[in-house]
Amino acid sequence: DAKTTQPPSMDCAEGRAANLPCNHSTISGNEYVYWYRQIHSQGPQYIIHGLKNNETNEMASLIITEDRKSSTLILPHATLRDTAVYYCIVRLRGGSGGSNYKLTFGKGTLLTVNP
Amino acid sequence: DTAVSQTPKYLVTQMGNDKSIKCEQNLGHDTMYWYKQDSKKFLKIMFSYNNKELIINETVPNRFSPKSPDKAHLNLHINSLELGDSAVYFCASSPALGAGERNEQFFGPGTRLTVL
Repeated sequence: DAKTTQPPSMDCAEGRAANLPCNHSTISGNEYVYWYRQIHSQGPQYIIHGLKNNETNEMASLIITEDRKSSTLILPHATLRDTAVYYCIVRLRGGSGGSNYKLTFGKGTLLTVNP
Repeated sequence: DTAVSQTPKYLVTQMGNDKSIKCEQNLGHDTMYWYKQDSKKFLKIMFSYNNKELIINETVPNRFSPKSPDKAHLNLHINSLELGDSAVYFCASSPALGAGERNEQFFGPGTRLTVL
């Protein structure tokens, strides 16, 4: 899996958009970008994933650059409950082989939403 | 209803003991995982089973032995516990991989193991 780079921490005011960047300059053509988050003392939670097009769901939006070397997770209206560590993960999707199944977590970004 | 459950939530034990952590998922998923999160908060995969077959076995000591009696359960047994085994252990499950699937992993609440 390609390595990702994220800032160790970020702050955001409640109600504002939180934009979390991720660099994945060595991503290959069949690798997807996944985002998970881990709220304190809980298990990680899936947020969103994408290949090359921008994606949006009920939790967030994912913007992937045209060259796919970086992406940004956007929480449009951050709340205090969004305070968590956010992990950007690049992984293969589909096919056989154990390596396709595992998530390789980095250090992530600690997002603190302030009142 | 809890999708992925683990028992116990907390486990405090002495060095040298043998202990087990149980995991159950009611999502009908084919694949289950064990992850370890150490004191520095690094989250690393240990094992994965797909349809009761071991498919991932990272460089984990032989003292750790996963057991999958059926697709819905993946238990973790640890022999001769050491101080360094203290961590939070997370179980997860996901659907079988395939085109068009999200491959989302659902995590349990974690088991905090403390070895004294």
